[in-house]
Amino acid sequence: EADIYQTPRYLVIGTGKKITLECSQTMGHDKMYWYQQDPGMELHLIHYSYGVNSTEKGDLSSESTVSRIRTEHFPLTLESARPSHTSQYLCASSVSDRAGEETQYFGPGTRLLVL
Amino acid sequence: RKEVEQDPGPFNVPEGATVAFNCTYSNSASQSFFWYRQDCRKEPKLLMSVYSSGNEDGRFTAQLNRASQYISLLIRDSKLSDSATYLCVVMRTGRRALTFGSGTRLQVQP
Repeated sequence: EADIYQTPRYLVIGTGKKITLECSQTMGHDKMYWYQQDPGMELHLIHYSYGVNSTEKGDLSSESTVSRIRTEHFPLTLESARPSHTSQYLCASSVSDRAGEETQYFGPGTRLLVL
Repeated sequence: RKEVEQDPGPFNVPEGATVAFNCTYSNSASQSFFWYRQDCRKEPKLLMSVYSSGNEDGRFTAQLNRASQYISLLIRDSKLSDSATYLCVVMRTGRRALTFGSGTRLQVQP
C-alpha cells in the first residue's frame, strides 16, 4: 500500500471561500501530481512538481495554485471556491526505478462540493 | 481527438469469461504504458505496466503494438472482484506525467 494521504476526504463549502486541500506522502518521492476527475470521466492533470520549489501547470487549466516547500507536502489552494470547482481531486506521487520505469501512487482523493 | 481512447463499455460478462479491452493512443512519442484499475469512488491503482514484448501477471495479459499505437488487456477466468473501471494510461517522452483514458467499465456477473 502507498503511504500517500489526502485531507479532507470530503468537503462541502460555500461559494467564495478559500480552501486548501492537503496532500502528503512519506515515501520520499520527488515527483508529485494533482489530478481532477469528474464522475465517470477521465483524470486530468492540473499541477505537478518535480521537487521542492518546482511546480508546473498541467493539461487542464485550473484556477487552483500549488506549493512545494517540503518534499512530503504538496497542498492545493483555491482562493475563491465556485460551484464549477466541484469535483474529485486526486493527489499522486511517483518514483523511478533503476530501469527508469515510473509508478504513480494515488491518494484516496478529496471530493469537493461547492454550493 | 483524445490522446488516449478507450471503449467506455460497460462490458457485462459472466464469471469465468475471458474479456479483452483495447486502447489506442495518438502521440507516437509515448514511451511508457500502463493499465490502472479504479473501483467505484476510489483512487486508481496500478494493475500492470505494459512492455513491448507483452507481459503477463496471473490472469492478466497486456500487449503493446507500437506500430499501430494500440494497447490491450486480456483478463482470463473473470472473477466478481474484477468488476471495476480499467484505465489505459500512457506517458510521453520527456513529459513525465501520465495521460489517462476515460476507462472501460467491467461488470462481472455471477
